[in-house]
Amino acid sequence: AQSVTQLDSQVPVFEEAPVELRCNYSSSVSVYLFWYVQYPNQGLQLLLKYLSGSTLVKGINGFEAEFNKSQTSFHLRKPSVHISDTAEYFCAGPAGGTSYGKLTFGQGTILTVHP
Amino acid sequence: DTEVTQTPKHLVMGMTNKKSLKCEQHMGHRAMYWYKQKAKKPPELMFVYSYEKLSINESVPSRFSPECPNSSLLNLHLHALQPEDSALYLCASSHLLTGREQFFGPGTRLTVL
Repeated sequence: AQSVTQLDSQVPVFEEAPVELRCNYSSSVSVYLFWYVQYPNQGLQLLLKYLSGSTLVKGINGFEAEFNKSQTSFHLRKPSVHISDTAEYFCAGPAGGTSYGKLTFGQGTILTVHP
Repeated sequence: DTEVTQTPKHLVMGMTNKKSLKCEQHMGHRAMYWYKQKAKKPPELMFVYSYEKLSINESVPSRFSPECPNSSLLNLHLHALQPEDSALYLCASSHLLTGREQFFGPGTRLTVL
């Protein structure tokens, strides 16, 4: 079964600075991975997904992520953040094995953008 | 229509009440999910339906009873809940039960008194 680990529980950053949110995965089977964003008191919104093909994936709101098989990572990046990017971010992938349809989530990273 | 809707947005109930949460999608998805999310935690899967049949039950207590009346609707019936059941309940759907991306609704904030 696959597991997903988010390496930072909180990331504070100033507005217009670049940011990287880190995610590592472990899997012995073919991989697909997602990043979701959750604003306060809302559901999860899909930011971007890696299914196959190009390892650099572009998503909504200027975010991108790079799938790195050798480092088993799928880090999320944005070159210049806005106050409105303040939210919790979850990395997720299929649980695999017989858990068809089950996603496994990282513990989440709270991104706080300061003016 | 590319969204999942959930009603109600907020629900306060006593431990002896019976209530239901409703989820709807019109994207033609054949897999639907219920998650429970506590504060500062990732969502925890509760149930998965595939083609209107229960596919996964993550050992959820019987005071939670899911129902999938048709391919667009998913209900969660609540009875005799405990205060620790207070949480954000999220519904999601996906094209098929293939582990691909899931689309989430806005959630129902449940408070059990």
